[in-house]
Amino acid sequence: KAGVTQTPRYLIKTRGQQVTLSCSPISGHRSVSWYQQTPGQGLQFLFEYFSETQRNKGNFPGRFSGRQFSNSRSEMNVSTLELGDSALYLCASSFGQGGPSETQYFGPGTRLLVL
Amino acid sequence: AQSVTQLDSHVSVSEGTPVLLRCNYSSSYSPSLFWYVQHPNKGLQLLLKYTSAATLVKGINGFEAEFKKSETSFHLTKPSAHMSDAAEYFCVVSDVGDSWGKFQFGAGTQVVVTP
Repeated sequence: KAGVTQTPRYLIKTRGQQVTLSCSPISGHRSVSWYQQTPGQGLQFLFEYFSETQRNKGNFPGRFSGRQFSNSRSEMNVSTLELGDSALYLCASSFGQGGPSETQYFGPGTRLLVL
Repeated sequence: AQSVTQLDSHVSVSEGTPVLLRCNYSSSYSPSLFWYVQHPNKGLQLLLKYTSAATLVKGINGFEAEFKKSETSFHLTKPSAHMSDAAEYFCVVSDVGDSWGKFQFGAGTQVVVTP
């Protein structure tokens, strides 16, 4: 079974632009979560989706948004990019309801560099 | 509310000696706890998880962790370090309530293994 896939793997953008990142969960997984990883802040939760509904959201500005499609694939969008948005963005999927005891399986990440 | 503290940011061990990575957590309910490993330029891989069953949890690659509720700890150990264990390790807490679907990561412990 294929793992979580994320596209693109690398991105370079300039300040003020917007970006869309894509995540395909493991087949059969219905919950998708997104995390931002930076050297200064570590791994921070962005949002979680289940059945096309956002169930939880982290403490990020409204420039960060996401959605989930009926096939469980997910996208996240960052508008008006800032230098501080440079990070590794990780997507994770889990089987079932996505509850606290369920393992999250992580993709390789999309590395975003904002110039 | 949930939180997790990894007590060591860096740990250096000699190959063949024991490894101990310390993790304390805080949770309002009965949490699930995980250890993940991240090798350079790779995604996060699950080592093991605790979900209110046996308090001593065995994981992959010879790692194990013990859940101690009275000490709110979930330390990770390995009897004999291997060069391939050099990586960053993350302790994670996951809970119900407002934290549903949200993994709270510790700051990470960087493990260096010397020959």
